Amino acid sequence: RKEVEQDPGPFNVPEGATVAFNCTYSNSASQSFFWYRQDCRKEPKLLMSVYSSGNEDGRFTAQLNRASQYISLLIRDSKLSDSATYLCGSGGWNNNDMRFGAGTRLTVKP
Amino acid sequence: DTAVSQTPKYLVTQMGNDKSIKCEQNLGHDTMYWYKQDSKKFLKIMFSYNNKELIINETVPNRFSPKSPDKAHLNLHINSLELGDSAVYFCASSQARTSATPTDTQYFGPGTRLTVL
Repeated sequence: RKEVEQDPGPFNVPEGATVAFNCTYSNSASQSFFWYRQDCRKEPKLLMSVYSSGNEDGRFTAQLNRASQYISLLIRDSKLSDSATYLCGSGGWNNNDMRFGAGTRLTVKP
Repeated sequence: DTAVSQTPKYLVTQMGNDKSIKCEQNLGHDTMYWYKQDSKKFLKIMFSYNNKELIINETVPNRFSPKSPDKAHLNLHINSLELGDSAVYFCASSQARTSATPTDTQYFGPGTRLTVL
């Protein structure tokens, strides 16, 4: 079983749609969780950290479910510019052992 | 004022050659990493250094040797390159903490696209 698993997609959605991604992690001792965004041929960039209580940043909402060991990302009112690959990351206490999922590809169409 | 920089951006070389990739961060971070992203886009950690000390060494062939001359630099040397080494290699850094705060963002360099022919 991979340490972090994501549905690779692709997710093809129209502009304005709401889309949700899930990610599961195998290390129950993981303490830090992130969503990164990676554009084609670019480096991953932090989209948002995921906190235990869940957190929201504009159109993006991240949730953590420790009991089931999954994190989720909800994107509301999708924009064309949201098209990218979204990587889920799970890390140890000092983030020195981050593990990433293989990414979920999102394409938002007009 | 790039935060994490890597050189070269592209590297095309023949099997059997030895090559190096350099990474520098100007964020004052204590921890640096090397990741390999293969053709299936899976981003896999290879090494992690904290204040010049190796703390993570995943199952990576010993043809790969990281070197950290100071905490702002982490270079990757690869001996006897093989076809399977073709990938994008990302350097990253983070401000590792010893406090109770678990979250710690990693900042990635632009990547080095290595092609072994």
